[in-house]
Amino acid sequence: QSALTQPASVSGSPGQSITISCTGTSSDIGGYNYVSWYQQHPGKAPKLMIYEVSNRPSGVSNRFSGSKSGNTASLTISGLQAEDEADYYCSSYTSTTTRYVFGTGTKVTVL
Amino acid sequence: EVQLLESGGGLVQPGGSLRLTCAASGFTFSACAMSWVRQTPGKGLAWVSTISNSGSDTYYADSVKGRFTISRDNSKNTLYLQMSSLRVEDTATYYCAKFLPGTRSMDVWGQGTTVTVSS
Repeated sequence: QSALTQPASVSGSPGQSITISCTGTSSDIGGYNYVSWYQQHPGKAPKLMIYEVSNRPSGVSNRFSGSKSGNTASLTISGLQAEDEADYYCSSYTSTTTRYVFGTGTKVTVL
Repeated sequence: EVQLLESGGGLVQPGGSLRLTCAASGFTFSACAMSWVRQTPGKGLAWVSTISNSGSDTYYADSVKGRFTISRDNSKNTLYLQMSSLRVEDTATYYCAKFLPGTRSMDVWGQGTTVTVSS
C-alpha cells in the first residue's frame, strides 16, 4: 500500500486561502468517507483537524474545512494565519491489509 | 484532561527487542480502539498497528507483521507494543493514539517515544 500523494509544500500570505490535495485510490479515499487531516508543528505530536472528510473536532477553528471528490481529498485553510504554519498529513482507512494509510505530508508556509 | 504518555523507547541493536508502553488517562480507555503510529526522522507518518477496544481484534502493517505485537490491559488503562527482531528501518518516534469513538480517526496522540535501532 503506497502512501497517499500530497504536494510537498504550499504557501500563502496572511489572510489568503490555500488548499492541500491528497490523492489516493478507490481502495482508500475513493472507497470510504474516512479521510482525516492532521496538523503537526515541529517537535510536536499530530493534531486531528478534520475527520470523516469534512467534520471538525471540537475546538478546531472553522477556518479549516475538508472535502472529497473521487479519489482525491482536499483541506482548505481560509484566512491563513502565522500559527497555521506546520506540516499537514491526510489519512484514510483502506480496504487493504494496511488498514490505514497516511499521506506524504505537506509543509505549509505563511509568507 | 485526556492524556497519553508513551515510554519504553531507547537504543537497541538490530535483532533485539523492546516493549513500548502507553499510559492513558482522562477518558474511558476500554471504550476506545487504539493505535501505534511511527515517524522516521524528518519523514512522514506511518501506521503501525491497531487494536480494538476489547483487545479481541488486532491489525498490523505488513512491514511489522510477525515481529510486533499490540496488546492492552483495560484494567490498567495501558497499551503496549512488543517489538522483536528489530531492524534499522524500525528507527522512529512511536506515537500511541486513541480513536474518536465511532470513527476511524485518531483524535488524541501522545508525545511519542523514540526507538533507535543501531549497532
